[in-house]
Amino acid sequence: GQQLNQSPQSMFIQEGEDVSMNCTSSSIFNTWLWYKQDPGEGPVLLIALYKAGELTSNGRLTAQFGITRKDSFLNISASIPSDVGIYFCAGVSGTYKYIFGTGTRLKVLA
Amino acid sequence: EPEVTQTPSHQVTQMGQEVILRCVPISNHLYFYWYRQILGQKVEFLVSFYNNEISEKSEIFDDQFSVERPDGSNFTLKIRSTKLEDSAMYFCASSDVGEIRQFFGPGTRLTVL
Repeated sequence: GQQLNQSPQSMFIQEGEDVSMNCTSSSIFNTWLWYKQDPGEGPVLLIALYKAGELTSNGRLTAQFGITRKDSFLNISASIPSDVGIYFCAGVSGTYKYIFGTGTRLKVLA
Repeated sequence: EPEVTQTPSHQVTQMGQEVILRCVPISNHLYFYWYRQILGQKVEFLVSFYNNEISEKSEIFDDQFSVERPDGSNFTLKIRSTKLEDSAMYFCASSDVGEIRQFFGPGTRLTVL
């Protein structure tokens, strides 16, 4: 089946540092999404990417849709303690079938 | 802001029993989804549902699973004969027509003993 691998699996960073994480797949997707999941809650959409090469920002978050359509990255600038959580990429396949990545667990040290 | 709700928040059942997980999607949304997340693992797509029929389903969504929209507001996931490995968080989500953005519910934690 389709798999999305995220790296790193987890990371500890100091408050104020920039964070970078990526997501790769062996399959092509036409839409890439980035979600954040807080403990005990459902995922919340952060950024949606619709075109290869697209670079989109949402506040301190920036994400890019790779030109091969098989990868994406997410950057968080000037991290703050509330950025802690699990970040998932997701590719949309077919008609409304969302494949989630393995997740990157972020911990921010104040 | 409208939100997706799910009941119960936690369900404990014996292996082999049937369970029904309930969701109330956002009222004007027409696409509905179920996902599961085994503790500490990734979110796995189960099924999408539109116009009273399944649009897509994953390999996980076998004959033990079924979905239904019994009335104008509820969307249910039934597991006919639960197995130990069905223990997970089950998330419902909904989206509007033409919208990629899904809104997730808070989840139901299913524990199979």
